[in-house]
Amino acid sequence: GENVEQHPSTLSVQEGDSAVIKCTYSDSASNYFPWYKQELGKGPQLIIDIRSNVGEKKDQRIAVTLNKTAKHFSLHITETQPEDSAVYFCAASVKDMRFGAGTRLTVKP
Amino acid sequence: EAGVAQSPRYKIIEKRQSVAFWCNPISGHATLYWYQQILGQGPKLLIQFQNNGVVDDSQLPKDRFSAERLKGVDSTLKIQPAKLEDSAVYLCASSLWGTANTGELFFGEGSRLTVL
Repeated sequence: GENVEQHPSTLSVQEGDSAVIKCTYSDSASNYFPWYKQELGKGPQLIIDIRSNVGEKKDQRIAVTLNKTAKHFSLHITETQPEDSAVYFCAASVKDMRFGAGTRLTVKP
Repeated sequence: EAGVAQSPRYKIIEKRQSVAFWCNPISGHATLYWYQQILGQGPKLLIQFQNNGVVDDSQLPKDRFSAERLKGVDSTLKIQPAKLEDSAVYLCASSLWGTANTGELFFGEGSRLTVL
């Protein structure tokens, strides 16, 4: 089955800096790659997603890039704010969604 | 629009006892999922329903875990008997479409289980 690896496990940045989280997947048939944000005591919430026929997608301060050949995809957050502090999960999907282990992002004011 | 509802939010039991969790998905969502999230890890799929049929339960420990989806709407997840390693948050999610790879999963806030 699909295996998703995510790095780094923790990331600390200063407010205003950029943050990058990277994921790799194993199943070349995966065709949908969402990113979820999970705040303390809450369920994960979708923040951006990309499908395999697209190389990059951007939504305001958040962007995702996908390299199908290398089987990796990344989340980029620019101009980080303290409210971006949370745990971020990548996922890859063929017929079921497999999640990475998560990255705890801390944005210091 | 109401989100995914789960109960109870917290449950503490002793090992070998039983527990049940309930989930009410977003109205009209065909697919319902139960995920197990152990502290510090990503969600792990336990079972996926489409309407009231099971699509994938390959990672469900069937000797102790069971789940059903009543009339294609609400769902219950049961653990009997519980083990220490079952301590986790149990997340319910639903999606509008029939398979996970076609769109967003909407998660509930989860049910936190502690097994002593």
